[in-house]
Amino acid sequence: AQSVAQPEDQVNVAEGNPLTVKCTYSVSGNPYLFWYVQYPNRGLQFLLKYITGDNLVKGSYGFEAEFNKSQTSFHLKKPSALVSDSALYFCAVRAYGSGNTGKLIFGQGTTLQVKP
Amino acid sequence: DGGITQSPKYLFRKEGQNVTLSCEQNLNHDAMYWYRQDPGQGLRLIYYSQIVNDFQKGDIAEGYSVSREKKESFPLTVTSAQKNPTAFYLCASSLRPRGRSFSTDTQYFGPGTRLTVL
Repeated sequence: AQSVAQPEDQVNVAEGNPLTVKCTYSVSGNPYLFWYVQYPNRGLQFLLKYITGDNLVKGSYGFEAEFNKSQTSFHLKKPSALVSDSALYFCAVRAYGSGNTGKLIFGQGTTLQVKP
Repeated sequence: DGGITQSPKYLFRKEGQNVTLSCEQNLNHDAMYWYRQDPGQGLRLIYYSQIVNDFQKGDIAEGYSVSREKKESFPLTVTSAQKNPTAFYLCASSLRPRGRSFSTDTQYFGPGTRLTVL
């Protein structure tokens, strides 16, 4: 079965420090991986995705993520955190050949708290 | 949130009532999706539609119904059969890349509707 794990419910980081939000996945076949961010009482905003090619993917608002096939991970990173980055982050996966359904499997989310 | 609108933003339902949540997109996207979000559980797929007049059940379709009569609209009805409907409901849409499957597309989300059962 396909699954996504975000092992940390919350990540705390000081403003200006680098941040990492972890994500591991389990799929049969090649994965397509996504990161979304959600601010309170809002919809999800797309940050970035990995489909194929370069393992380091750059996205919106200075975020990037590294695809690591051997570790089945797709951690979200940012070199210097901002207070405005504080939000709920979701990792999602879709398997290649997933019956062409487009169905995404979401992790449970990680709350990022950036303190001044 | 782009070109996807959901209404109302807040909705209150009495026991035994059916309610309909609206989702409209002006992005000319092919596929539309409904998700339910509960605290600490991520998002779960209720229904999805890849083409007009066709839709498929997701993981938690019981107690819900949908229609896709127009490309831009995908309303969700929460029926009285849904025993625990209080949640945040999110609609999404995606454009099928030309010549490729839906597997690689990006889903874009609306602002959500918060449904509360009184």
